Amino acid sequence: GNSVTQMEGPVTLSEEAFLTINCTYTATGYPSLFWYVQYPGEGLQLLLKATKADDKGSNKGFEATYRKETTSFHLEKGSVQVSDSAVYFCALNSFGNEKLTFGTGTRLTIIP
Amino acid sequence: DAGVTQSPTHLIKTRGQQVTLRCSPKSGHDTVSWYQQALGQGPQFIFQYYEEEERQRGNFPDRFSGHQFPNYSSELNVNALWLGDSALYLCASSWAGDTQYFGPGTRLTVL
Repeated sequence: GNSVTQMEGPVTLSEEAFLTINCTYTATGYPSLFWYVQYPGEGLQLLLKATKADDKGSNKGFEATYRKETTSFHLEKGSVQVSDSAVYFCALNSFGNEKLTFGTGTRLTIIP
Repeated sequence: DAGVTQSPTHLIKTRGQQVTLRCSPKSGHDTVSWYQQALGQGPQFIFQYYEEEERQRGNFPDRFSGHQFPNYSSELNVNALWLGDSALYLCASSWAGDTQYFGPGTRLTVL
């Protein structure tokens, strides 16, 4: 079955630092990959996605590249801000199996 | 354009009671999925509705049931509540199996 392994947190960084949150997956077929973000007390917001190998998803300065050879989809941002403090979830689904399978989440805190 | 909406925002129930949660999908979406998110965990898939039928189900007991109406809105019902059902319940909508967009969730507390 499908599974997602996500970098354990919490992660604390200073403002303007470089961010990487690791995500690897196991899936049957050719999954679509997603990063969702959850701010305190809120639901999940789609941050970015990629639907095939070598695709790069990007949004709000965040990027992630679909690497089929390493089954990875690591999230990166060059310069984080205090407003990026949230919990980040890596997720996937497969054609014909549309349920999203999530990682356990990584709590990110940015210090001014 | 309204996104996914859920009601109520918060709910407190006692063990053994029943609860109904409601979800209105994003405009143009025809598929609704429900997820349970326990504190500190990632969301877990409960089930998905399309054309008023349950299309896919996760590993949840029959106490969890749902419904989808002709206007694509949906309800999640949980019977015989127990303490372990306390969680954030998230609804997500999509169109034709495309990207799922989430609502703000309903926080259920079972005492």
